[in-house]
Amino acid sequence: EAQVTQNPRYLITVTGKKLTVTCSQNMNHEYMSWYRQDPGLGLRQIYYSMNVEVTDKGDVPEGYKVSRKEKRNFPLILESPSPNQTSLYFCASSLSWGHEQYFGPGTRLTVT
Amino acid sequence: AQSVTQLDSQVPVFEEAPVELRCNYSSSVSVYLFWYVQYPNQGLQLLLKYLSGSTLVKGINGFEAEFNKSQTSFHLRKPSVHISDTAEYFCAVSGGTALIFGKGTTLSVSS
Repeated sequence: EAQVTQNPRYLITVTGKKLTVTCSQNMNHEYMSWYRQDPGLGLRQIYYSMNVEVTDKGDVPEGYKVSRKEKRNFPLILESPSPNQTSLYFCASSLSWGHEQYFGPGTRLTVT
Repeated sequence: AQSVTQLDSQVPVFEEAPVELRCNYSSSVSVYLFWYVQYPNQGLQLLLKYLSGSTLVKGINGFEAEFNKSQTSFHLRKPSVHISDTAEYFCAVSGGTALIFGKGTTLSVSS
């Protein structure tokens, strides 16, 4: 089954404790992206990747890192999480930029 | 730069009534347009897309949208809604490397 998977689905952590949210797709898509969803703000792009080893900042990259060492994986790293990063995070992938994106199920992160 | 405005944050309707969710966009380049739906506690699912060609686009679950270039709009419509259509709907535009989302419209269908 074609899908985007994210882990963990739920995470509660404390300020400053490094964490990684994994994202994997099995559709051989070139483009991958991370979004955060906050009430009243819709989805905002954090980082995106056009292909392996090619990443770039989206609208709200501060406090996040990403890497794209393999085509299928695009982890999101929070080196020192803060409470304002409490949010619902979605990973997405598409054949290439401009095409429809397929979304993962989301990761609900709470930073206390 | 592209931007998307969803003109209604909440739309309450009765079952079997028609509905229109409004979306306007701004862009200096040709765009692709999308509508996504998010059911409670789930991820986003593509409803329909406009890439080129016919301006009337049909999607899943009986939804359709019309691309109007002169008015820079991409409104979503359904002639008769069901309780199960209760969800949040997002309009999105892609004109570069990013997919820009509107802030969402919550459709609430009651009996």
